[in-house]
Amino acid sequence: AQKITQTQPGMFVQEKEAVTLDCTYDTSDPSYGLFWYKQPSSGEMIFLIYQGSYDQQNATEGRYSLNFQKARKSANLVISASQLGDSAMYFCAMRDDNAGGTSYGKLTFGQGTILTVHP
Amino acid sequence: NAGVTQTPKFRVLKTGQSMTLLCAQDMNHEYMYWYRQDPGMGLRLIHYSVGEGTTAKGEVPDGYNVSRLKKQNFLLGLESAAPSQTSVYFCASSGMRYGYTFGSGTRLTVV
Repeated sequence: AQKITQTQPGMFVQEKEAVTLDCTYDTSDPSYGLFWYKQPSSGEMIFLIYQGSYDQQNATEGRYSLNFQKARKSANLVISASQLGDSAMYFCAMRDDNAGGTSYGKLTFGQGTILTVHP
Repeated sequence: NAGVTQTPKFRVLKTGQSMTLLCAQDMNHEYMYWYRQDPGMGLRLIHYSVGEGTTAKGEVPDGYNVSRLKKQNFLLGLESAAPSQTSVYFCASSGMRYGYTFGSGTRLTVV
């Protein structure tokens, strides 16, 4: 069974500084995808970044980067130059892309981390 | 705008009442999902569908039923609501390698 763990219930960061949100995962499948979503107070789920298990390089999307350490089974999100608008809940999620094709794209989510950016 | 539309956005039910949440997508996605979000627990999969006429149980299916009679619609039913079903419900659809589109959520309170 897949499991995603986010050990930081809440994080605080000063505006313009960088912050790392932790995510560890557990799966027995060699092929999987890792996602980060942002959920602002308005409630919508906003896709931030994706990393495939066979991708050689860490994913980057603007100010977001994913620090992928496969051996440690971690997929930490790094937000550079934090902005006030980054204050939100952040979810790490995983999808098993198993060879048998029976995962059907189901996502397993972590518990979430609430990020607060201080001016 | 293309996307996933959930109705209703808010609802208050009395214990024992029934209701249906509707999810509609206009992206021709094959896969659709229903999640519930509770504090400290992230999003958990209730049921999912891999195509018209098919449904399957997720992680927390008890107390819910689903139907997907048309490809674009995925309905989530509560036959006899319980306070433990107070939650925020999200529908999502997927049709690409890693693209998921989420609805805006339904906030359900069972009193």
